[in-house]
Amino acid sequence: EAGVVQSPRYKIIEKKQPVAFWCNPISGHNTLYWYRQNLGQGPELLIRYENEEAVDDSQLPKDRFSAERLKGVDSTLKIQPAELGDSAVYLCASSLAPGQGFGANVLTFGAGSRLTVL
Amino acid sequence: GNSVTQMEGPVTLSEEAFLTINCTYTATGYPSLFWYVQYPGEGLQLLLKATKADDKGSNKGFEATYRKETTSFHLEKGSVQVSDSAVYFCAFITQGGSEKLVFGKGTKLTVNP
Repeated sequence: EAGVVQSPRYKIIEKKQPVAFWCNPISGHNTLYWYRQNLGQGPELLIRYENEEAVDDSQLPKDRFSAERLKGVDSTLKIQPAELGDSAVYLCASSLAPGQGFGANVLTFGAGSRLTVL
Repeated sequence: GNSVTQMEGPVTLSEEAFLTINCTYTATGYPSLFWYVQYPGEGLQLLLKATKADDKGSNKGFEATYRKETTSFHLEKGSVQVSDSAVYFCAFITQGGSEKLVFGKGTKLTVNP
């Protein structure tokens, strides 16, 4: 079974440029998360989806970040325009929806997309 | 607010040494607790979990016990191997609608042969 797939793995851009990251979750996982991991830090949640609905986007900087999960499967996270401080690894994860049993709180992470803003 | 405090790294051990990585949490309600591991160049992987007080999670020789009275979930392994070199993250998930996984800063472990 394929895990959580993310692309691209690495992206280098100049500041003020746009960038987009794509994520395909594990089949059957209704809940999808985007996390940001700064160097030497733990991941921090940006947004959580239940199917196509964003149920927690309180930590998403909405002036420059946007995300979508139109059909409730794969998702895209966009930054426009990027700033130097956006350099980080962007992690996508998925899980069963709350209440769907033992695995509901277990997140499976993708390998991440490492962004460098110059 | 909700937070996780982990032992500062890096930790360097010799093979077959005993490992402890301390973790305490501050959370509302009754969280589920996790240890995730990140091997070099790879994504985060679940190592073990515990969902209620006094539960012991275990996997690959690692163990951690959910201590509600001390709000702790320390990770231990009796004899580490070179292949255990990685970054270890303590985390918990809040319950009751927010379903948010909160991570510590991570502890880098290096095991030398």
